[in-house]
Amino acid sequence: DSGVTQTPKHLITATGQRVTLRCSPRSGDLSVYWYQQSLDQGLQFLIQYYNGEERAKGNILERFSAQQFPDLHSELNLSSLELGDSALYFCASSSRDSNTEAFFGQGTRLTVV
Amino acid sequence: KNEVEQSPQNLTAQEGEFITINCSYSVGISALHWLQQHPGGGIVSLFMLSSGKKKHGRLIATINIQEKHSSLHITASHPRDSAVYICVALEEYGNKLVFGAGTILRVKS
Repeated sequence: DSGVTQTPKHLITATGQRVTLRCSPRSGDLSVYWYQQSLDQGLQFLIQYYNGEERAKGNILERFSAQQFPDLHSELNLSSLELGDSALYFCASSSRDSNTEAFFGQGTRLTVV
Repeated sequence: KNEVEQSPQNLTAQEGEFITINCSYSVGISALHWLQQHPGGGIVSLFMLSSGKKKHGRLIATINIQEKHSSLHITASHPRDSAVYICVALEEYGNKLVFGAGTILRVKS
């Protein structure tokens, strides 16, 4: 158990809908990273938050947004969902801003139908 | 050309063999991670390196910053090592993470 909790584990939704994925980092970790893993694109970095502020941005679509709350949990919001958004979404946390080992959650499998 | 290249893409080994997976990157980095993803999908962070060598059990990771190259070695491989191994570069500026495509390892008993 990495100490990083993601909910829900599975999610099935229809195109055009909006979903929120949740991540609770390890106790004491300030950084949260979000990743998307799809069959055709592999693992991709989406966005990082550190202590409530956006720190780095990767290949995140405009339809997606994230935030990190004062209690350090993070949410990834995916809107106007398309079939191609079906993927595994992972969250990871680390203790510092960068250059530290990251611990991964088990992922949320999103299926858009 | 991808900024992070892994080789080989696929690797099949016999139990007990010594395995090497390579990662070359073209960007300036502040650290490099090796991840292991099991068939069920779960991801485990194996190592985070910024220089030299790290060892954990049967796993060894090395990095050569000048040559922009890292290797992951598995000694005395076992079928439970079968997984996808992913190299991830943390860019020096901007904190962006760049992923390799992964190496699919299958260890046969």
